[in-house]
Amino acid sequence: EAGVAQSPRYKIIEKRQSVAFWCNPISGHATLYWYQQILGQGPKLLIQFQNNGVVDDSQLPKDRFSAERLKGVDSTLKIQPAKLEDSAVYLCASSIGSGQGNIQYFGAGTRLSVL
Amino acid sequence: AQKVTQAQTEISVVEKEDVTLDCVYETRDTTYYLFWYKQPPSGELVFLIRRNSFDEQNEISGRYSWNFQKSTSSFNFTITASQVVDSAVYFCALRGYTNAGKSTFGDGTTLTVKP
Repeated sequence: EAGVAQSPRYKIIEKRQSVAFWCNPISGHATLYWYQQILGQGPKLLIQFQNNGVVDDSQLPKDRFSAERLKGVDSTLKIQPAKLEDSAVYLCASSIGSGQGNIQYFGAGTRLSVL
Repeated sequence: AQKVTQAQTEISVVEKEDVTLDCVYETRDTTYYLFWYKQPPSGELVFLIRRNSFDEQNEISGRYSWNFQKSTSSFNFTITASQVVDSAVYFCALRGYTNAGKSTFGDGTTLTVKP
């Protein structure tokens, strides 16, 4: 079974530029998560989707970050414009459902460097 | 509020030594789940174990074992006879019903196993 796919693996941009990340979850997984992981810290949830609807985006900086999951499968996360403090690894995860006991399966992440 | 504390930032051991990674959590929920993930240099978080708050049985899986004690709010992870391949960052995570069901991760423990 294929895991969670993310691209690109690495991205370097200048501040104020825009960037987009793509995620393809495990087939059949209804719930998709985007996390931000700053160096030396644990992942922090940015947004959670259930199928193509947003369940929780309370920690998403909506003035610059946006995410969508139009057909309930793939998802994109965009940052526009990027700031230096956005340098981090962006992890996508999926689970079969949104229950608290469901196991989240993670992709390898996109490492973003903002110069 | 939920909180996960992994007080050990870095641990270094020599191959074949046993090592214990500590995890202490705080939650007001009576029902919650605890998880351990491994993050190797490749970046992907790999699920290791899930435990719900009503199951205090310790678990052993090969060289890995977990000790869950509700009385001390701890969920510690022991690797017996460590190997170089165990070198990674290990994260403990908590997911309850408050905090909108979001996962709260500790900041991780970096384990280095030297040959």
